[in-house]
Amino acid sequence: GAVVSQHPSWVICKSGTSVKIECRSLDFQATTMFWYRQFPKQSLMLMATSNEGSKATYEQGVEKDKFLINHASLTLSTLTVTSAHPEDSSFYICSASPGTDHNEQFFGPGTRLTVL
Amino acid sequence: GQNIDQPTEMTATEGAIVQINCTYQTSGFNGLFWYQQHAGEAPTFLSYNVLDGLEEKGRFSSFLSRSKGYSYLLLKELQMKDSASYLCAPLDSNYQLIWGAGTKLIIKP
Repeated sequence: GAVVSQHPSWVICKSGTSVKIECRSLDFQATTMFWYRQFPKQSLMLMATSNEGSKATYEQGVEKDKFLINHASLTLSTLTVTSAHPEDSSFYICSASPGTDHNEQFFGPGTRLTVL
Repeated sequence: GQNIDQPTEMTATEGAIVQINCTYQTSGFNGLFWYQQHAGEAPTFLSYNVLDGLEEKGRFSSFLSRSKGYSYLLLKELQMKDSASYLCAPLDSNYQLIWGAGTKLIIKP
C-alpha cells in the first residue's frame, strides 16, 4: 500500500516553455502533498506544501508565480514550472501524506527536468 | 535555527555492521524518520521513532534519544545494495520534515 506515482519520469524542454508534473496517490487519499527539489549531491529542499482544495504554502525563496501548484483532489497534485530556464533543471519529487498521527510521507519516484 | 548533523560519507564492508549517527536541533519535535535514497531515485521510508529507545526492523534498527537530540541507524549484514544515501529527518512542531544532506554509505566487497 501507500503508492505514489509521478509523471513524467523525465522531461527535456526548451527554455521558456512550461512543464507540468503530476503526482498521484494510488491507493490512499492524501490530505497533504509536498513538492521537493533536489540538486545533485544536495539535500531535499521543500518547495511547497499543499492541502486539497486550498492554496499551497510556499517556502521562502520559492516563486509561487513560477511554480504553480494545484491540489484539485485527494489523489492528485500538479506542479507547473512556468517559463522554465536552465537553472530550473533539477530532480523534482512529490510526496503525499494520508494524515496519520506522525504525518508519514510517501514519496513518488521523482521527475528529472532538463531545460535546454 | 533548525539543524541536522550527519557524517557526509561512510565506508563499510559487505557482511559487516555500520552505525550512522545523526544529531538534530529543531523547533519542537514530533518524531524522526530515516529514509534511504539511491542515486537518482526518490527517498524510501526505513523507520520512524517518536519514543526513546531502539526500533528493530529486520537488518535495520533505529535508535532515538530525545533528550540528547540524537538518533542512529544501524545496518547489519551489509549487502552491496545497501550502498545509498541515508537521510535523517526529524519532524518539527509544525509536522514538517527537516532534511539534512544525508550520509552516503559505500559498501565494499
